[in-house]
Amino acid sequence: ELKVEQNPLFLSMQEGKNYTIYCNYSTTSDRLYWYRQDPGKSLESLFVLLSNGAVKQEGRLMASLDTKARLSTLHITAAVHDLSATYFCAVDHQGGSEKLVFGKGTKLTVNP
Amino acid sequence: DVKVTQSSRYLVKRTGEKVFLECVQDMDHENMFWYRQDPGLGLRLIYFSYDVKMKEKGDIPEGYSVSREKKERFSLILESASTNQTSMYLCASSRAFYEQYFGPGTRLTVT
Repeated sequence: ELKVEQNPLFLSMQEGKNYTIYCNYSTTSDRLYWYRQDPGKSLESLFVLLSNGAVKQEGRLMASLDTKARLSTLHITAAVHDLSATYFCAVDHQGGSEKLVFGKGTKLTVNP
Repeated sequence: DVKVTQSSRYLVKRTGEKVFLECVQDMDHENMFWYRQDPGLGLRLIYFSYDVKMKEKGDIPEGYSVSREKKERFSLILESASTNQTSMYLCASSRAFYEQYFGPGTRLTVT
């Protein structure tokens, strides 16, 4: 059974600081996704990581994937208040399945 | 622009009622999904559909059924609503092997 674990589940940080969110998964997978959810809103796709060593960056967020370690990281650089949200990683079942298993999410609060 | 819409943002139903949640996408996506989101549990897949009239159970299908008669529309049915089905329901769609796009969600309360 595929399991996806994120840590930390809650993260409070100051503006200007750097931090990393971790996403571990239990079985081999083809694809890993990162989503963002603002309070009361739906999920928005941030990154799709398809291969070992993949790195993608958008603004102050950078995501990477290590398929051998079954680990993805979401790195936040010089955080700003607008990044406050809940971040989810999701992993597909290997073998071409469209089913995703989501982590429980990391609630990020960036304080001025 | 990608768009997934859901029929209601908020819904209050009584125990035992039959409940229909509708989802429509305008992107000609093959795949459509229904999730529920609960605090501390994250998103859990209820059902998904990879083509018209085709469906597959997700991780928590008990108490739910689905219908997909047209490519753009995917309905979630609670045959007899119960209080433990109070939750946020999210619909999503995707092209095959691409990221999923989510609707705004329906917050369902069953009293």
